Amino acid sequence: NAGVMQNPRHLVRRRGQEARLRCSPVKGHSHVYWYRQLPEEGLKFMVYLQKENIIDESGMPKERFSAEFPKEGPSILRIQQVVRGDSAAYFCASSDRPINSPLHFGNGTRLTVT
Amino acid sequence: DQQVKQNSPSLSVQEGRISILNCDYTNSMFDYFLWYKKYPAEGPTFLISISSIKDKNEDGRFTVFLNKSAKHLSLHIVPSQPGDSAVYFCAASPGYGGSQGNLIFGKGTKLSVKP
Repeated sequence: NAGVMQNPRHLVRRRGQEARLRCSPVKGHSHVYWYRQLPEEGLKFMVYLQKENIIDESGMPKERFSAEFPKEGPSILRIQQVVRGDSAAYFCASSDRPINSPLHFGNGTRLTVT
Repeated sequence: DQQVKQNSPSLSVQEGRISILNCDYTNSMFDYFLWYKKYPAEGPTFLISISSIKDKNEDGRFTVFLNKSAKHLSLHIVPSQPGDSAVYFCAASPGYGGSQGNLIFGKGTKLSVKP
C-alpha cells in the first residue's frame, strides 16, 4: 500500500502528557497537510508543510502544537501538555503539487486524552 | 462562520436511483472544489473535483455540477449502490491567494443506499 501512512491509529494520553503523531506521505509527494476532525464536525486545516519548511500554519493553535517535516523521515505533529479538548481524529494528507491537486488522506490517528 | 455548508446531515436513497448531495459556499474567491467520501475509522477518499472554470465534471457514476452565480455545487451518483453508503464531504480551496492545501470542508452528509 503506497498510500499515506499514519501511526499510531489510536493514542491515549493523560492530561499534561505529550502526543506525537507520525505521517509518511505517498511516495514522491513533498507536500504534507495536517487536519483535525472533532466529533460531528468537518475536517479543519491545521498546517501545510513542504520538505523542511512550514508553508502555512494558520489553522494550528499557537501554543502547545508544532509540526515538522524533516528531510528524512515522516512528518510529525506534536502536541505538548495535552488537554481533554485535544481529543479528536488527526488526519494527515499529501499531494504531489500545491495547486489544484487532490489531497490523499491517511486513516488518521484518534487521540483520546483522559 | 461556515464558509462551506452541507445543509442535509443525512440522505437515504434506494439502490439504483440517483443520489444528489448538495453543497453551498459563501466565498466567491474559492476556485477549486472537491468531494470526498469517508467510511467510519478511515480517512477521506478523494472522489471528484471541479475547477471554477468549468460547470460540470464527470467520472463514471459520479458527476459534479458547479453553479458559480448561486455559489452551489452538487454531486450526483447514478446509479446508487449500497457500497456508496458513507459520509460525503464537500471541500473548497481558497484560491491562489492562500494555501491550496488549506481546504475548507463542510460538515458532511451521511448517505445511506438501501438495497
